[in-house]
Amino acid sequence: DAKTTQPPSMDCAEGRAANLPCNHSTISGNEYVYWYRQIHSQGPQYIIHGLKNNETNEMASLIITEDRKSSTLILPHATLRDTAVYYCIVRVSRDDKIIFGKGTRLHILP
Amino acid sequence: KAGVTQTPRYLIKTRGQQVTLSCSPISGHRSVSWYQQTPGQGLQFLFEYFSETQRNKGNFPGRFSGRQFSNSRSEMNVSTLELGDSALYLCASSPSGQVTHGYTFGSGTRLTVV
Repeated sequence: DAKTTQPPSMDCAEGRAANLPCNHSTISGNEYVYWYRQIHSQGPQYIIHGLKNNETNEMASLIITEDRKSSTLILPHATLRDTAVYYCIVRVSRDDKIIFGKGTRLHILP
Repeated sequence: KAGVTQTPRYLIKTRGQQVTLSCSPISGHRSVSWYQQTPGQGLQFLFEYFSETQRNKGNFPGRFSGRQFSNSRSEMNVSTLELGDSALYLCASSPSGQVTHGYTFGSGTRLTVV
């Protein structure tokens, strides 16, 4: 079973920052937080991952709380192309499979 | 560089038949995972192969099987197809499957069982 909880859907105005929350209250010390997104009819796309420090790349920022029980994915300037289902995943060792939950369906409003 | 390639893109099969799907990972990637996606169940993990060995397996019946070749290309086979096997089958590759590496997914094979 997925170890994360996400809201089923969210809306965000185009050009604004989209903040997608994820709860992973049972996360262990050696588990990483991953984010993927899936645009309709395509394979999931890797966005970002982190262990305990905040991370930023060209796509997004990942903010992990100090107790690591939750995190937020931030898309700084959302566009219509960011409309997708976003999945938050926790993953432990190198042998651990990636288990997807239901994700959050993000709607970007023009 | 080329991404993950899945063939065929679309497939229609009859109940009771078997099917083989193919996945070519990114060059140099040694880990290949397979997922089934349906509207009702979402993305479900099937199995993962690393260096020709199955390393992880999901909760699917024995009708679902896979293998990986020495060049890291992978195939999955579904025997005795059922209507419920209609789904998008996705494969993902990673350099080693290590947690520090993200997975790259292919565009999938859409299987319809009639």
